[in-house]
Amino acid sequence: ETGVTQSPTHLIKTRGQQVTLRCSSQSGHNTVSWYQQALGQGPQFIFQYYREEENGRGNFPPRFSGLQFPNYSSELNVNALELDDSALYLCASSSGTQNYGYTFGSGTRLTVV
Amino acid sequence: DQQVKQNSPSLSVQEGRISILNCDYTNSMFDYFLWYKKYPAEGPTFLISISSIKDKNEDGRFTVFLNKSAKHLSLHIVPSQPGDSAVYFCAARVNYGQNFVFGPGTRLSVLP
Repeated sequence: ETGVTQSPTHLIKTRGQQVTLRCSSQSGHNTVSWYQQALGQGPQFIFQYYREEENGRGNFPPRFSGLQFPNYSSELNVNALELDDSALYLCASSSGTQNYGYTFGSGTRLTVV
Repeated sequence: DQQVKQNSPSLSVQEGRISILNCDYTNSMFDYFLWYKKYPAEGPTFLISISSIKDKNEDGRFTVFLNKSAKHLSLHIVPSQPGDSAVYFCAARVNYGQNFVFGPGTRLSVLP
C-alpha cells in the first residue's frame, strides 16, 4: 500500500507567476483534499475533490484551482502568486465524502519572492 | 475567528511523565475530532480520534478526552517518550462534513 506522494518538495516562484503542485493519492482513496499551512499555523482547508469533481471549498480565492484525474492523482494550481501564498501545501487522501481522517503527504514548500 | 484553539504553543515534559495537550473549540456543530502529530519535513500523521457521542478514547499510550459542555479536548500521553517530540494538531469536523478545521498546534518536547 503506497502512501501519499507530493512533488516537488520545494519550489521558489516569483510574485505574479503561476504554479502547479502535484499529488498522488494513497491506493484505494478516491477523495483528495488540499490544505495550506502557513508558518506557525495549522493547516487550512483549500478544497476537496471526489471522483474528479470539486466537493467543497474553503475560504480561498478562485486563483486557487484544482484537478483530480481518473487515477485519483491531483493538481493544485495557483495563479498570480502573492507573497502571502508562501506556505507548506499539503495533499491529503481519504475514502468517500464523509471524512473520518486523512493520510497526508509530506507537502510542497512554496516560497514566493 | 479561530474555531479550534490550542492555547499552549509549546510544552516540555520529562521522559516517563504524562504529557497533556489541550484543545478548545467554539463550534457546537463539530461532531468528530482528531489529533495529528507532525515531525519536521513530514506530513501530519493520524494519532487518535473521538466522536462527539463519546467522552474518552484510548489507544495504547494515547488517550483523548472530550468534554462537550466545556467544548474542550485533551490528549494524554503516558508515559512520554523522546520520540513523541513533535507538533501536535487538534482537528475538528463539522457535522459529517468533508473537511477538518485545525488548531495552530502545540510543540511537545520530551526531555530525556
